[in-house]
Amino acid sequence: EAGVAQSPRYKIIEKRQSVAFWCNPISGHATLYWYQQILGQGPKLLIQFQNNGVVDDSQLPKDRFSAERLKGVDSTLKIQPAKLEDSAVYLCASSLAGELFFGEGSRLTVL
Amino acid sequence: GNSVTQMEGPVTLSEEAFLTINCTYTATGYPSLFWYVQYPGEGLQLLLKATKADDKGSNKGFEATYRKETTSFHLEKGSVQVSDSAVYFCALTLYNQGGKLIFGQGTELSVKP
Repeated sequence: EAGVAQSPRYKIIEKRQSVAFWCNPISGHATLYWYQQILGQGPKLLIQFQNNGVVDDSQLPKDRFSAERLKGVDSTLKIQPAKLEDSAVYLCASSLAGELFFGEGSRLTVL
Repeated sequence: GNSVTQMEGPVTLSEEAFLTINCTYTATGYPSLFWYVQYPGEGLQLLLKATKADDKGSNKGFEATYRKETTSFHLEKGSVQVSDSAVYFCALTLYNQGGKLIFGQGTELSVKP
């Protein structure tokens, strides 16, 4: 069974530029999560989707971050404009029956 | 609020040593508790879980017991191997939170031969 796919694996941008990350969850998983993992910290939930609807986006900085999940499958997370403190690994996870499966993450460096 | 606190790392052990990584939690209600592991260059993987008080989760020689009275879920292994070198995350979820996980800060384990 294919796992959660994310791209790109690595991205380096200047501050104030924009960036987008893509996630393809495990087939059949209705719930999709985006987490932000800053170096030395545990992952923090940014947004949770159930199919193509948002369940929880209370921790998403909506002035610069946006996410969508069209057709209830793939999802994209966008940051515009990026700040230095956005440097982190962005993890996508999907779940079925309560167990979360994580992708390898997309590492963002903002210079 | 709900939170998880882990012992700070890095933890460095010799092969075959006994491992304990402490984890305590604060939660409104009765959480389910998890340990996730992140090997170098890989994604987070579920290591073990426990869903109610006194439950013991176990996998790959690792164990953790859900202690409601001390709000703890310490990870233990009797004899670590070099291949256990990774970052370990304790996490919780609450039944009414849609499955979202709240993580501790992670503990890096390095096992030397």
